[in-house]
Amino acid sequence: AQTVTQSQPEMSVQEAETVTLSCTYDTSENNYYLFWYKQPPSRQMILVIRQEAYKQQNATENRFSVNFQKAAKSFSLKISDSQLGDTAMYFCAFMNRDDKIIFGKGTRLHILP
Amino acid sequence: KAGVTQTPRYLIKTRGQQVTLSCSPISGHRSVSWYQQTPGQGLQFLFEYFSETQRNKGNFPGRFSGRQFSNSRSEMNVSTLELGDSALYLCASSSRQGQSGNTEAFFGQGTRLTVV
Repeated sequence: AQTVTQSQPEMSVQEAETVTLSCTYDTSENNYYLFWYKQPPSRQMILVIRQEAYKQQNATENRFSVNFQKAAKSFSLKISDSQLGDTAMYFCAFMNRDDKIIFGKGTRLHILP
Repeated sequence: KAGVTQTPRYLIKTRGQQVTLSCSPISGHRSVSWYQQTPGQGLQFLFEYFSETQRNKGNFPGRFSGRQFSNSRSEMNVSTLELGDSALYLCASSSRQGQSGNTEAFFGQGTRLTVV
């Protein structure tokens, strides 16, 4: 069975600092997708970044980047120059070929002024 | 392009009643998934539909059911509601684009169900 583990329930960093959120997953599949979703207080789930497992290059989206280690089944999210608006719950997620998404328990991130 | 639309946004129901939630996916998306989000359990997968067929099912009792229509819109039904069914129910739609296999999954704003 596929599982996603986020070992940091809660984190706090100062504005403008860099923060890394950890995620590990378990699967026997070779082709899959990994995501980081952000859920602010509005509860709207927002896709932050996506990584295809067959791509070796780490995905980046402006201040957001990932460190994808396929062999280690690790998928961490780095947020550079953090902003107050980054305060949210962050979910790491795994999608298999059947489009079933499995989420981690989430990391609550606080950006402090 | 319109996003994923879930209706209603809020619902209050009494124990024992049944409820139907609706999800309209992004145009062109054929896969629709449903999730239950609670503070204690996090996001739990309910089921996933593709072209009107249920492809995946989570570990929920038979009181939770769903269906998908030919236009990809999906409904989720919960019968004999229990207090523990109070949750945010999220719907997500996704598609696979071309040979590269790129896929995107987008979520609606959810339906907040309160069972009293």
